[in-house]
Amino acid sequence: AQSVTQLDSQVPVFEEAPVELRCNYSSSVSVYLFWYVQYPNQGLQLLLKYLSGSTLVKGINGFEAEFNKSQTSFHLRKPSVHISDTAEYFCAVLGGSYIPTFGRGTSLIVHP
Amino acid sequence: NAGVTQTPKFQVLKTGQSMTLQCAQDMNHNSMYWYRQDPGMGLRLIYYSASEGTTDKGEVPNGYNVSRLNKREFSLRLESAAPSQTSVYFCASGPGRGYEQYFGPGTRLTVT
Repeated sequence: AQSVTQLDSQVPVFEEAPVELRCNYSSSVSVYLFWYVQYPNQGLQLLLKYLSGSTLVKGINGFEAEFNKSQTSFHLRKPSVHISDTAEYFCAVLGGSYIPTFGRGTSLIVHP
Repeated sequence: NAGVTQTPKFQVLKTGQSMTLQCAQDMNHNSMYWYRQDPGMGLRLIYYSASEGTTDKGEVPNGYNVSRLNKREFSLRLESAAPSQTSVYFCASGPGRGYEQYFGPGTRLTVT
């Protein structure tokens, strides 16, 4: 079985400030990890993914995430956010099956 | 490439009515999925199809049926709609295990 916990349901931040969205997972097998972004009234689109190799993964729009196996975490970071980053962010884990498990989402709200 | 397309975009049903949500992908993906998204609940898997000719239940299959019509198309049917099925429905596709999913724009369904 696998599960994902996104520790914050909402993260408010000012424009140009750094941000970290937290994601912890549990799985009995090796995992693949994903972050998706959902802009208002749209579907989800992939930000970045970790399959293997380097634990620091870079994605689109200046986002990056670090896989930490010992802490079973995959936190998403951006050094300087823009208003346009306001969206819902979902962490997902894929373990021993075809089926990813999604977290409940974190709403990133960027204030001017 | 259109990616993943869904029809309709919006639908209002009365309790007890039936309808079919259509999904098609043009990326030659093997796997297709149906999710529902409710506030604070993240994405919950209704049904999936790992490959053409196969379908399996996800986390919340009750009240739904699916058909994998061919490799491109995967439909979701509500036989007798209930207010609890008011939600936003997303179709997704993917090449297979270990790969990201590609999402459609969603169908916003209201059951009164």
